[in-house]
Amino acid sequence: GESVGLHLPTLSVQEGDNSIINCAYSNSASDYFIWYKQESGKGPQFIIDIRSNMDKRQGQRVTVLLNKTVKHLSLQIAATQPGDSAVYFCAENVIQGAQKLVFGQGTRLTINP
Amino acid sequence: EAEVAQSPRYKITEKSQAVAFWCDPISGHATLYWYRQILGQGPELLVQFQDESVVDDSQLPKDRFSAERLKGVDSTLKIQPAELGDSAMYLCASSLRGQGSDTQYFGPGTRLTVL
Repeated sequence: GESVGLHLPTLSVQEGDNSIINCAYSNSASDYFIWYKQESGKGPQFIIDIRSNMDKRQGQRVTVLLNKTVKHLSLQIAATQPGDSAVYFCAENVIQGAQKLVFGQGTRLTINP
Repeated sequence: EAEVAQSPRYKITEKSQAVAFWCDPISGHATLYWYRQILGQGPELLVQFQDESVVDDSQLPKDRFSAERLKGVDSTLKIQPAELGDSAMYLCASSLRGQGSDTQYFGPGTRLTVL
């Protein structure tokens, strides 16, 4: 079936460094992509989104890049802080009857002091 | 800031028992979603409501799961009977209209453990 997946299940970075979390998707018809952050014991929290007609979008300390040619999505976090430690999920909006989000497996980001 | 509310936060039950989870979406949000999240995996959609109507329940195990949103506001997800494999986090989310680019906001979830 069609799914969103992540290249790396875990990522460790030094505090203050930049982090890059990657995601591969398989549905070429997906028109909208979202990154969520999930801290332990909490629900996913929206970080940033991007439409398929864009290739880059920036937020506060975060940037999402979309490469439709290779069906690749990435989340860049600048100057990572201890509070950035969490599991990060990418999700794509697919149309299978009703529109719905399909989530990837997630990447656990650990910030080392 | 408005949030999606869920209760209970934790539920421990024995297999074959019935359990129910409650969700109150952000005020004014027409679309409500129930997801199941197995530890270490991403959330998977169980059911989606637009107001009081189900628009997608293709992944809901209907032999034991049921969901309702009678007045188009809050919602209840029920499992009867619970099985060991139902142990997971059950997440509720809501969005304004349920259109593709609407942001889905998640509640804190209910952690279900079936013994």
